[in-house]
Amino acid sequence: GENVEQHPSTLSVQEGDSAVIKCTYSDSASNYFPWYKQELGKGPQLIIDIRSNVGEKKDQRIAVTLNKTAKHFSLHITETQPEDSAVYFCAAIVSGGYQKVTFGIGTKLQVIP
Amino acid sequence: NAGVTQTPKFQVLKTGQSMTLQCAQDMNHEYMSWYRQDPGMGLRLIHYSVGAGITDQGEVPNGYNVSRSTTEDFPLRLLSAAPSQTSVYFCASSADINYGYTFGSGTRLTVV
Repeated sequence: GENVEQHPSTLSVQEGDSAVIKCTYSDSASNYFPWYKQELGKGPQLIIDIRSNVGEKKDQRIAVTLNKTAKHFSLHITETQPEDSAVYFCAAIVSGGYQKVTFGIGTKLQVIP
Repeated sequence: NAGVTQTPKFQVLKTGQSMTLQCAQDMNHEYMSWYRQDPGMGLRLIHYSVGAGITDQGEVPNGYNVSRSTTEDFPLRLLSAAPSQTSVYFCASSADINYGYTFGSGTRLTVV
């Protein structure tokens, strides 16, 4: 089955710096890659996603890149702010089977003011 | 527009008790899932449903039952609670497998 590895598990950055979280996946059939942000005491919230026919997607300060050959995708947050502090999860999805959603283990991001 | 509503937010059970975690969504989503979140283990799929009357097992289904009588509701039943079921439970829904989930705010369950 699919295996998604996420690094790093914790990340501390100074406010205003950039943060990068990386995920690798094993199943070449995966074709949809969402990222979720989970704030303390809340459920995960979808923040950005990318499909396998696209190499990069941006939404204001957040961007995701996908390298299908290397089977990895990354979340980039620029000009970090304290409100970006949260746990971020990546996921890889193989279409055609509903249960084939595999989450990474999460990255705890701390933005230091 | 409430999204996905989970109740209760917190629950303490004694070993052997049963209970139902409620989940309701108002987005007319066909796909609904239950996940449990444990430290160091990420999100693990318990059961899922692709529409009313259709459910199936996920990665960790033992000790849990589900049913889907309507599009809106997807309750999760713990048959005989065990300390290993202490966890945070999330219900999620999506319009399609190729779209992201909308998660509820979670139920923190402690079994003593």
